[in-house]
Amino acid sequence: VQLVESGGGLIQPGGSLRLSCAASGFTFTDYDMHWVRQSTGKGLEWVSGIGTAGDTEYSGSVKGRFTISRENAKNSVYLQLNSLRAEDTAVYYCARLGLYYMDVWGKGTTVTVSS
Amino acid sequence: NFMLTQPHSVSGSPGKAVTISCTGSSGSIASSSVQWFQQRPGSAPTIVIYEDDQRLSGVPDRFSGSIDSSSNSASLTISGLKTEDEADYYCQSYDSSNFWVFGGGTKLTVL
Repeated sequence: VQLVESGGGLIQPGGSLRLSCAASGFTFTDYDMHWVRQSTGKGLEWVSGIGTAGDTEYSGSVKGRFTISRENAKNSVYLQLNSLRAEDTAVYYCARLGLYYMDVWGKGTTVTVSS
Repeated sequence: NFMLTQPHSVSGSPGKAVTISCTGSSGSIASSSVQWFQQRPGSAPTIVIYEDDQRLSGVPDRFSGSIDSSSNSASLTISGLKTEDEADYYCQSYDSSNFWVFGGGTKLTVL
């Protein structure tokens, strides 16, 4: 069971980035998937989640700027980051939602928003 | 906005016990489940306690979780401290929209 994130990088304020999370080792269509971020030296912040039926949720800090999606045929979940701000700089983790908790996490991909 | 407040740091000696608190800013913390995650430097978080007091299979029984409704708080207690327990610990629950909320994290130092 594994989640592998990619797509992070250095981007200027106002720019866009698309993060990907490739899942393997489990039946992807059975699980809700989430993105959680962590700024350097800071705590965890839930960003967004997508259900098995494609229903989506966003934290207030990213709603209207970020878009989560999933492609079941590719066992992948994506996070489109638009209108990026310095405060979006963080490690972005992809996580699987098990019955009660996020039970599988990726290693994360780093997004740095800076001019 | 609903917030979970944790002490910035706690410490304890090997073999002793420590308790990390997680206090809800409003409402009743007992109305939603609380999870506890452990995060070692450079690694993703891993679950240690779910549904307030349920220990994940493979997590030592030195780890226990509880809820205190009178103080609107949850607690993670680690007994028989080992140096390998040194990590950051995060509580997690839900706000009124059922969105995930994490505490600010507590750094555990085993002296």
